[in-house]
Amino acid sequence: DGGITQSPKYLFRKEGQNVTLSCEQNLNHDAMYWYRQDPGQGLRLIYYSQIVNDFQKGDIAEGYSVSREKKESFPLTVTSAQKNPTAFYLCASSIDDKGQPQHFGDGTRLSIL
Amino acid sequence: QKEVEQNSGPLSVPEGAIASLNCTYSDRGSQSFFWYRQYSGKSPELIMSIYSNGDKEDGRFTAQLNKASQYVSLLIRDSQPSDSATYLCAVKSVTGGGNKLTFGTGTQLKVEL
Repeated sequence: DGGITQSPKYLFRKEGQNVTLSCEQNLNHDAMYWYRQDPGQGLRLIYYSQIVNDFQKGDIAEGYSVSREKKESFPLTVTSAQKNPTAFYLCASSIDDKGQPQHFGDGTRLSIL
Repeated sequence: QKEVEQNSGPLSVPEGAIASLNCTYSDRGSQSFFWYRQYSGKSPELIMSIYSNGDKEDGRFTAQLNKASQYVSLLIRDSQPSDSATYLCAVKSVTGGGNKLTFGTGTQLKVEL
């Protein structure tokens, strides 16, 4: 089945540790996105990529990093510089960056130990 | 002023009634509008896209767009308990590049037996 796979489903981070969240899609979509969702808040864009080997900062990029070496993959690293990382992280993709709808993976829930 | 505004609810409707969810946006040049449904603890699921003024119907769902009033709504006919969820309005802004969506904080819908 085509879709977006995020792993792991739950992740725990220790102080000072970097952690990487995986996002893989087999939909042949060009554009991929990372969002963060906190309770009572809307989704906020962290990073997005319109094409392989290119990505742009979203509204809350500080403390995060990404790479887009393959069309199918867009991993997100939450660095130790992100002081409040506890949130629900959502990866999405869309056919292109021209206004087509975005579709989401199942998400990764990150907590601090 | 928030860029995309929704009443947080909860909006309670009896089973079989019409649920009306509303969303206003600030960017007058916005071109693409989406409604997502999010069950508690799950990721958002796309239910409607609308790009031009007027109504768009898909099964029990109708999206309505009025660009002059900067207003988009979602009607759910014959509401079912399984429709109980948070509904997110998302708008593609013309400012900035790419397919960046701005999300509202969502309206919680409760369909009561």
